[in-house]
Amino acid sequence: EDKVVQSPLSLVVHEGDTVTLNCSYEVTNFRSLLWYKQEKKAPTFLFMLTSSGIEKKSGRLSSILDKKELFSILNITATQTGDSAVYLCAVEETGNQFYFGTGTSLTVIP
Amino acid sequence: ETGVTQTPRHLVMGMTNKKSLKCEQHLGHNAMYWYKQSAKKPLELMFVYSLEERVENNSVPSRFSPECPNSSHLFLHLHTLQPEDSALYLCASSQVWGQPQHFGDGTRLSIL
Repeated sequence: EDKVVQSPLSLVVHEGDTVTLNCSYEVTNFRSLLWYKQEKKAPTFLFMLTSSGIEKKSGRLSSILDKKELFSILNITATQTGDSAVYLCAVEETGNQFYFGTGTSLTVIP
Repeated sequence: ETGVTQTPRHLVMGMTNKKSLKCEQHLGHNAMYWYKQSAKKPLELMFVYSLEERVENNSVPSRFSPECPNSSHLFLHLHTLQPEDSALYLCASSQVWGQPQHFGDGTRLSIL
């Protein structure tokens, strides 16, 4: 059974749109949740979230965690074609075990 | 340039071959990881090394054998692989075990 579930699986939007990507998880001893962007090969780190309700922001990207409802969202505003990628969510469990979701494939059309 | 370099970028091998994947990080990190990424499946954590000691081995078949000779280098030795082992193998490093990871571009492995 998947411990990290991401939705939607894929998304196609036009430049300028705002998107929300979802990540829900189910682990016994939660430690942190991480978001990565994977464009071609190497995933690149975006955010690490450990506390509920505290928004992390970087430019047009932001993310927030809800530890009570066991989910996180990643928002991208004013999307650009360069945002096209697979966005991966990972959850770290105490004991340094990492579980990844299958990712959301985002395509931004000019 | 991610600071984590993997070679080769592509590898095609037969089931009876023996080959090795190499990973080198230039970031001064103390933890290194091997992941397997198959199509339509989540990244699977295979091995973790922290300060050159193996700290995690997620029930990986013995045909995969990791080696970490120092904190900058990580190898994955392969022998007698199966077709289902075809995947992208990603190496990552982090400052310490459990921190956000920097990934290499991966080795695309195809088993004939």
